[in-house]
Amino acid sequence: AQTVTQSQPEMSVQEAETVTLSCTYDTSESNYYLFWYKQPPSRQMILVIRQEAYKQQNATENRFSVNFQKAAKSFSLKISDSQLGDTAMYFCAFNERGSQGNLIFGKGTKLSVKP
Amino acid sequence: DVKVTQSSRYLVKRTGEKVFLECVQDMDHENMFWYRQDPGLGLRLIYFSYDVKMKEKGDIPEGYSVSREKKERFSLILESASTNQTSMYLCASSPPTGTTNEKLFFGSGTQLSVL
Repeated sequence: AQTVTQSQPEMSVQEAETVTLSCTYDTSESNYYLFWYKQPPSRQMILVIRQEAYKQQNATENRFSVNFQKAAKSFSLKISDSQLGDTAMYFCAFNERGSQGNLIFGKGTKLSVKP
Repeated sequence: DVKVTQSSRYLVKRTGEKVFLECVQDMDHENMFWYRQDPGLGLRLIYFSYDVKMKEKGDIPEGYSVSREKKERFSLILESASTNQTSMYLCASSPPTGTTNEKLFFGSGTQLSVL
């Protein structure tokens, strides 16, 4: 069975610093997608970044970037120049290509950005 | 802009009541999902639907049923609410499998309390 593991239940970072959130996953598939979703206190889940497994290049979106290690089944999220608005729950998620969008989520990491 | 709307943000019900959670999306998406979110457990899939009148069980379907009579609307039904169904319920939709924009779009959640 596919699983997603986030080993850090809570993290904190000072404003303007860099933080890395860890995620590992387990699958026997070779063709899949990986996601990081952010859930601020408003509860609205927002897609932060998306990576396609067949692409070797790490995805980036402004201050957010990933370190995708396919062989190690690792997908960490780096947030640079952390801002107070980055305070949220972050969920790592995985789905097989062709699985009709059915995502498997990790348990989440609660990130607090301190002024 | 893409929109997934859940009819209630907060809901309080009594044990044994029949509860309907409604979700509407305006993106003409084929796939719709109901997740349950609990602290420390992440998001767990209850049911999903990939077409009108079609439904598939997720990881935790017990005690729930769903209805999809129209493409834009996906309802979650608690036939006889119990206290262990107190949770945050998130609805999501996604475009057809294989599209380049394959990802989930979420509603803002319904916090259900069963007393």
